[in-house]
Amino acid sequence: GDSVTQTEGPVTVSESESLIINCTYSATSIAYPNLFWYVRYPGEGLQLLLKVITAGQKGSSRGFEATYNKETTSFHLQKASVQESDSAVYYCALGPWSGTYQRFGTGTKLQVVP
Amino acid sequence: EAAVTQSPRNKVAVTGGKVTLSCNQTNNHNNMYWYRQDTGHGLRLIHYSYGAGSTEKGDIPDGYKASRPSQENFSLILELATPSQTSVYFCASGDEGNNQAPLFGEGTRLSVL
Repeated sequence: GDSVTQTEGPVTVSESESLIINCTYSATSIAYPNLFWYVRYPGEGLQLLLKVITAGQKGSSRGFEATYNKETTSFHLQKASVQESDSAVYYCALGPWSGTYQRFGTGTKLQVVP
Repeated sequence: EAAVTQSPRNKVAVTGGKVTLSCNQTNNHNNMYWYRQDTGHGLRLIHYSYGAGSTEKGDIPDGYKASRPSQENFSLILELATPSQTSVYFCASGDEGNNQAPLFGEGTRLSVL
């Protein structure tokens, strides 16, 4: 079935360093799935970080970027310079949210240290 | 402000007991979802609903029931709780349409002893 695989955490990065969290997907039942990054800060629920519904497009939010690459079936999350406040768990997800189709990755815990 | 509120936030239950997790949304969304999240797994869909009176089975419905008495409320019911149902549960609501990105609640941490 369709699935999402992402970087296994935890990932520790020093403040002001760059970050990449890998996400690859397998979508056999839908030709052009929607792709999402959600973030869960400590003590909070999941929040949408960014979404891209068109292959080849890039989404960005709060300094994070991800490009929907259909050729490599990837949607890697990147940030040029992380801050301590970016410490959270990041989830890559595959949509659309239609019936039971959607799929989540296992989540990547990011810890940013001073 | 759009919101999804879950209660309780934390729950300890005994094996064989009945547990009800509640979810309320103020977004006027038709669709609502219940997920559980366990270490080593992504969020997994338990039940979902298309509107008041509707409940549908997700990927892992065994041992769970759901109830959608109104547009705003969606409950997850464990009639006979088991230790394997110890997990973090998330509720979400979303609009119809292929581009929707659901809004999530803060989660309920359930421990079944």
